[in-house]
Amino acid sequence: NAGVMQNPRHLVRRRGQEARLRCSPMKGHSHVYWYRQLPEEGLKFMVYLQKENIIDESGMPKERFSAEFPKEGPSILRIQQVVRGDSAAYFCASSPHPSYEQYFGPGTRLTVT
Amino acid sequence: QKEVEQNSGPLSVPEGAIASLNCTYSDRVSQSFFWYRQYSGKSPELIMSIYSNGDKEDGRFTAQLNKASQYVSLLIRDSQPSDSATYLCAVTVKDDKIIFGKGTRLHILP
Repeated sequence: NAGVMQNPRHLVRRRGQEARLRCSPMKGHSHVYWYRQLPEEGLKFMVYLQKENIIDESGMPKERFSAEFPKEGPSILRIQQVVRGDSAAYFCASSPHPSYEQYFGPGTRLTVT
Repeated sequence: QKEVEQNSGPLSVPEGAIASLNCTYSDRVSQSFFWYRQYSGKSPELIMSIYSNGDKEDGRFTAQLNKASQYVSLLIRDSQPSDSATYLCAVTVKDDKIIFGKGTRLHILP
């Protein structure tokens, strides 16, 4: 029974490029959450999605960041025109219900050079 | 007032002793409470969930919940060096959103 999957595990981008992070939730889970974590800091909520809907994007920067969870396929977190400050670990979590336990994927470590 | 508060630590505990990690939350209607463990460079891993007042035990771990005091704790008995990690408290708030604390760093001294 596969857990939450994220790819790539490591991503290096030059300033100005686009970063695409993918997340496949656990089987049976239709709720997906994205978090960002800077070194030595806590998890920062970014966005909560259900299939084809963004439920809560209160933690997402207004510009350059977008997220989707299409009917088919993984959830995508897209960062356009990356800057050095975007360098962080990005974690995806999934749950079967919004107030149930969230299970985390291994994360994507984004480095912007 | 922060929604979920934890002492950042580090909390140093001798091997074999009991480690006690504490968390307070501000939303009185919170119903679900979770503890996660995160090793350096890894993703958070769910350890315990607790939904009603009292204690819940799982192996060496005990979660304690007191809704009247808006307080949840995690006890780790017979602490091992492998328990050294950051422990995150998470609480549901309105609209079923889960809020994470910033975590407490635990260091088990061999």
